Amino acid sequence: GESVGLHLPTLSVQEGDNSIINCAYSNSASDYFIWYKQESGKGPQFIIDIRSNMDKRQGQRVTVLLNKTVKHLSLQIAATQPGDSAVYFCAEPSYGNNRLAFGKGNQVVVIP
Amino acid sequence: GAGVSQSPSNKVTEKGKDVELRCDPISGHTALYWYRQSLGQGLEFLIYFQGNSAPDKSGLPSDRFSAERTGGSVSTLTIQRTQQEDSAVYLCASSVRPNTEAFFGQGTRLTVV
Repeated sequence: GESVGLHLPTLSVQEGDNSIINCAYSNSASDYFIWYKQESGKGPQFIIDIRSNMDKRQGQRVTVLLNKTVKHLSLQIAATQPGDSAVYFCAEPSYGNNRLAFGKGNQVVVIP
Repeated sequence: GAGVSQSPSNKVTEKGKDVELRCDPISGHTALYWYRQSLGQGLEFLIYFQGNSAPDKSGLPSDRFSAERTGGSVSTLTIQRTQQEDSAVYLCASSVRPNTEAFFGQGTRLTVV
């Protein structure tokens, strides 16, 4: 089964506010994590990744935080925009199976 | 092309018919994956290719499902005798090598009526 899961099924956020999406993983040996964004009718799109030798990585308006102690991953979106409305998935490699294991997804709805 | 291309984008078929879904991965990507996504759900792994071989077929839900990859490039997912529960979006992804960032196509929305 999947080792990655999300805490919140839906997040409604006011435009301009910051969004935080959380993800838990179960394999303490996991060393690489990816966040994907999936807009309606489209395939998942890579947002940002992080390796386990880091605890923070920043991109354009997005920051991923990794807490290996509690096996928790989060994605922060700054100044959320309507275009950020999507489902966000965290994923990690399942090395024994040579594929990415995905969480169930977290819907973000931006309120204009 | 620059990205992963899937065709058709939409397919409506009658129950019992066979369908073929095509995936054209990013050039040079040796790993290719098929996933299935039901409405409002996560991604269900179907099959993984490394080159032309499929070392992991564990996700295929039944023997009605098969896939092949030729020339280390294009892949075809075939569903025989389609059933209504096969209705879903079928996503293809490729990556330079296993366990790295995967790039997804737009998916094929299959509706079995």
